[in-house]
This record gives sequence, C-alpha cells and structure tokens, in this order.
Amino acid sequence: GQQVMQIPQYQHVQEGEDFTTYCNSSTTLSNIQWYKQRPGGHPVFLIQLVKSGEVKKQKRLTFQFGEAKKNSSLHITATQTTDVGTYFCAGPGEYGNKLVFGAGTILRVKS
Amino acid sequence: EPEVTQTPSHQVTQMGQEVILRCVPISNHLYFYWYRQILGQKVEFLVSFYNNEISEKSEIFDDQFSVERPDGSNFTLKIRSTKLEDSAMYFCASSPRGGGNTEAFFGQGTRLTVV
Repeated sequence: GQQVMQIPQYQHVQEGEDFTTYCNSSTTLSNIQWYKQRPGGHPVFLIQLVKSGEVKKQKRLTFQFGEAKKNSSLHITATQTTDVGTYFCAGPGEYGNKLVFGAGTILRVKS
Repeated sequence: EPEVTQTPSHQVTQMGQEVILRCVPISNHLYFYWYRQILGQKVEFLVSFYNNEISEKSEIFDDQFSVERPDGSNFTLKIRSTKLEDSAMYFCASSPRGGGNTEAFFGQGTRLTVV
C-alpha cells in the first residue's frame, strides 16, 4: 500500500539553529500537507503544496514540493522554543478519502 | 474560529466494555474522519464518512468499530468490545471537501485507556 516516509525521527537543536525534515512518498501525490502537533496537542494544519517544484514560505518556515511530486521538505530557519513539537507530512490516500501521515519528526529546541 | 470538539477528553474503560467517543465537526463541513495515534507514534487513519455513509475504512477498523452521525451535528465512534491495544488518542477531523485533497481540521482528541 501507499507509504509516506519521514526523516529524521527526532532532532534536538540549539535555539537559533536551523532544522529540516524530509518526506518521501512511495507514489506520486496530487498534493502534500504539513501539520504541526505540539506536545500533548492535536495536529494543526500548516500548509498544502500542490504544484511540482512549489516553494512556499511562512515567516521562518520554508516548504518545498519536489519536481516529481513524491517528496517534500520543511525547513525552519533560526529555531525558537515555540517551534517545539512534531512535524508531520501527509498525502492523500489512493482513493482520496483520507490522509496518509508520515511518522513525524520530533523537534526539541534547547534554549 | 470554528473548531472540532471532542468529548470526553479522557476515558478509562475496562477491557471488553463498549465505549462511544463523540465529536462535533465544524458545521459546514461535509467530510468526517476518525484517526488514532498510539503514544509517540504516527497518526493512523481509521475511517472516513461522507453523505451518511463510510467512504473508506482501514484494516484497523474491524467489526468492533462503528461510526454514526445520529443527528445533524454529532459524529460518533463506537468500539464494541475494547481491547488493551485500543488504548490510544483518538482524533476526529472534518474537512469542507474530500479526503486528502484539502486541509483537515482536527479536534483536541480523546485519550482512551483500556485497562
């Protein structure tokens, strides 16, 4: 079945350092979404990418969708303690009725 | 801002008991979902629901699980006879359009503990 892989599983950075998480799908995706889950919280939508090669920015966050629409990345510049949480990528399931989540990358930030 | 609400926030139940988890999706949304997350693991799809019927379900969603939209606002997940491995955080979500092609709005979750 369709799989969405995400690396790294865990990253611990010093405040001010950059952070990147990578997402890879076993199939071509019509879109990819990114969610953030704070510790003890629920997934919250960050962004959706639709076009091949698309790059979107939200303040210190930069999201990319690969040319082949099978991979994506989220880069955070100059991390802050408020960035702490788990970042998930998610793509549509085969029949479009669900989201298939990656395993997530846990980000911890040392101040 | 509209949000998905779930009750209860935490439920402890004995193995073999039935539980009903409740959700109120965002009012103008048409697509509803249940996902679960075992502690520290990824978010797993259980079931999607549209137009008063299941549109897709996962292998996890076996005969012990059922969903219902008993009225115009509530969306429930029933587990008939809970097992220890059903212990997880259960998230309800809704979206204005179908499935994986639009933003999903998640509720705060119900933590189910089966003892």
